[in-house]
Amino acid sequence: GQNIDQPTEMTATEGAIVQINCTYQTSGFNGLFWYQQHAGEAPTFLSYNVLDGLEEKGRFSSFLSRSKGYSYLLLKELQMKDSASYLCAPTGGGNKLTFGTGTQLKVEL
Amino acid sequence: GAVVSQHPSWVICKSGTSVKIECRSLDFQATTMFWYRQFPKQSLMLMATSNEGSKATYEQGVEKDKFLINHASLTLSTLTVTSAHPEDSSFYICSAKGSSGSDEQYFGPGTRLTVT
Repeated sequence: GQNIDQPTEMTATEGAIVQINCTYQTSGFNGLFWYQQHAGEAPTFLSYNVLDGLEEKGRFSSFLSRSKGYSYLLLKELQMKDSASYLCAPTGGGNKLTFGTGTQLKVEL
Repeated sequence: GAVVSQHPSWVICKSGTSVKIECRSLDFQATTMFWYRQFPKQSLMLMATSNEGSKATYEQGVEKDKFLINHASLTLSTLTVTSAHPEDSSFYICSAKGSSGSDEQYFGPGTRLTVT
C-alpha cells in the first residue's frame, strides 16, 4: 500500500524560504514528483527526483532520501503567487502516482 | 510540448443523466492515460488507468459500470459518468504519459462537474 504524510498547512512571508516535508511508504518506488496546484486548476509539474540528493531548479529545489522515505521541497525568495497547494507524489507500481493530501502554502506580506 | 486538453472545462447536468468528458494529448501519443477525481480541499484520487486499445484498470472502490472509460486512440480517452448523482459532483482531471519511458504525467486542465 501507499502512505504519504505532509503538513496540511504552512504560512510564510514574502521573500523568505520555506521547506515542505514529505514522508512516504510505498511499494515499487521509482521516484518522487512534486506538483503545484492552484485552487480550481490542474497540478503543474515542479520536480522529479529519482536519485538521492538535492536537485535545484531556479527558486525551487527538491531533495530525496530513498532509504529514509523522505523528500522535501524548498522554495526560496517566496512570492505571493507561490500561494498554492504543493503535492508530494511518489511513483509506485504500474506507473501510478499516489498523491499526498497536499500542503496548502500561504504567503503573506 | 506535452499538452493535454480536456473538454468540457465545466458542465452542469441533471441527476440521472450521463456526461462524457474528453481528454486529448495534443502533441504526443499517450500510451497510458489516467483519470483522477478531486473533491474540495482534498487530494487527487486516482480512479482508473487506461491503456490504448485495452480495458481500463479501476482502483478499488470505483464502479466501472458507472464510470465508463474508453481509450480508443493514442491521443484520446473519454470518461463517461453514467446516471450521475449529486455526490458525483467533483473536479475530474486526466493525465497522460508518453511512450518515452519517463514516469512524468502531463495533466489536463480539469473538468468541473456539477450534478443538480
